[in-house]
Amino acid sequence: QVQLVQSGAEVKKPGASVTVSCKTSGYSFTSHDINWVRQASGQGLEWMGWVNPDTGDAGQAQKFQGRVTMTRDTSISTAFMELRSLRAEDTAVYYCARNTRGGISEYDYWGQGTLVTVSS
Amino acid sequence: QSALTQPASVSGSPGQTITISCTGTSSDVGGYNYVSWYQQHPGKAPKLMIYDVSHRPSGLSSRFSGSKSGRTASLTISGLQAEDEADYYCSSFTSSTTCIFGTGTTVTVL
Repeated sequence: QVQLVQSGAEVKKPGASVTVSCKTSGYSFTSHDINWVRQASGQGLEWMGWVNPDTGDAGQAQKFQGRVTMTRDTSISTAFMELRSLRAEDTAVYYCARNTRGGISEYDYWGQGTLVTVSS
Repeated sequence: QSALTQPASVSGSPGQTITISCTGTSSDVGGYNYVSWYQQHPGKAPKLMIYDVSHRPSGLSSRFSGSKSGRTASLTISGLQAEDEADYYCSSFTSSTTCIFGTGTTVTVL
């Protein structure tokens, strides 16, 4: 069965960086983009960007450009999201999600979420 | 780019039918048939309920249906059940080849 398993919770200080991983199984890793979505406590979903596991191409929401990097390692079927220059407003649950098919922003499988807390 | 507009809350009694709207622009909802809907229970990851405006993933209850007219998409839940109580989010592909989510709607079963 398709599974996306994310790394554990992180606590970071303002200005630091965090990397969240998303290990996939149960399907061909290179056949579906991995997207990243975050959700602050009590707030809605916010799309951050995507990575194409086959080509390594990536794109981000304008809000995060220059501060986020999305990569993948095909040898371990895992996608990564690095967010830099963290601030308190980045405290949120971060989800990875698989899109249903190429380039379309519809997500059929999600990771369990990773809580990132930014606090001094 | 602002979030798609959804009502903050919708409620209904068991067995009733409710509809959640999702309004965007010609650059997202109105321009593409790539609108999806997600159900999210507290502390859980979102779950895909509808994709491509009106398609249900395999195995999903037929009580959930989707539609679109112009810049507004809708999710209808018929035969409302206690387990349907959750937050619901719409999302759309955009002309910038990005994704935009709705503001979210809390469904309460009375």
